[in-house]
Amino acid sequence: GAVVSQHPSRVICKSGTSVKIECRSLDFQATTMFWYRQFPKKSLMLMATSNEGSKATYEQGVEKDKFLINHASLTLSTLTVTSAHPEDSSFYICSARDILLGNTEAFFGQGTRLTVV
Amino acid sequence: AQSVAQPEDQVNVAEGNPLTVKCTYSVSGNPYLFWYVQYPNRGLQFLLKYITGDNLVKGSYGFEAEFNKSQTSFHLKKPSALVSDSALYFCAVDAGNMLTFGGGTRLMVKP
Repeated sequence: GAVVSQHPSRVICKSGTSVKIECRSLDFQATTMFWYRQFPKKSLMLMATSNEGSKATYEQGVEKDKFLINHASLTLSTLTVTSAHPEDSSFYICSARDILLGNTEAFFGQGTRLTVV
Repeated sequence: AQSVAQPEDQVNVAEGNPLTVKCTYSVSGNPYLFWYVQYPNRGLQFLLKYITGDNLVKGSYGFEAEFNKSQTSFHLKKPSALVSDSALYFCAVDAGNMLTFGGGTRLMVKP
C-alpha cells in the first residue's frame, strides 16, 4: 500500500523553541494531508487539514499561529509547533490520501512523539 | 455531522477465542467505514474498509467487519484471536473527505 513517512519519530525540545515535523507521501500524490494530535489513551483529534498550495483549514480551538502548517507540494506537508510549551507535548500524526484513489483509505505516518521540557 | 461511537474502552479475550470490537456510526448519506489498528508509539495501520457491496468485509491479519445499515454498526471481528492482536483499534467514518474517528478500543488478548 501507499506509504507516508513522518519525521522525526521522536523529538525533545526546550520550552520556547520551535519544532518542525515533516510528512511525506512517498509513492503517491496527496492534495490533502491531515494533522492529528493524540493524547495518552485518547482518540485522534483532528487539528487541521492541509491543502497543497493554499492555507490550511484549522479545527475549532486549534491555534493557527502556534501550529503552522505548510503544504508546499503534493508530497510534503509540514507542521511547525512554535514557541513550544510542556502542554504541547503529545503524539502528532499525519495522514494523506491518494488523489487518484479518491475517497478511500487514508494512509498514516508513523507519528511524532514531541516532548517539551 | 458525522460521528462514531466505540462503546468499549477495552476488550479482553483469551487467545484462540473469537473477538468482537464494536462500532456504531451516525452519518447522513452513504457512509464509507474503516477500521485502523495502532500499536504503541506508532501511526495507524489500515485494516479494512466498507465502501459498497457485500456487507461482510475481509481485511488484513484475518480481521473482518460486518456492515449493518439498519443498526448503523460496523463491528470488527476475528474468529481466533492472537496475542499479537493486542493493540488499539479505531473505527472511522468518512462522509465528505474527512475521517471522523471513534474513541478507540484497546484489545487485550491473553495467552
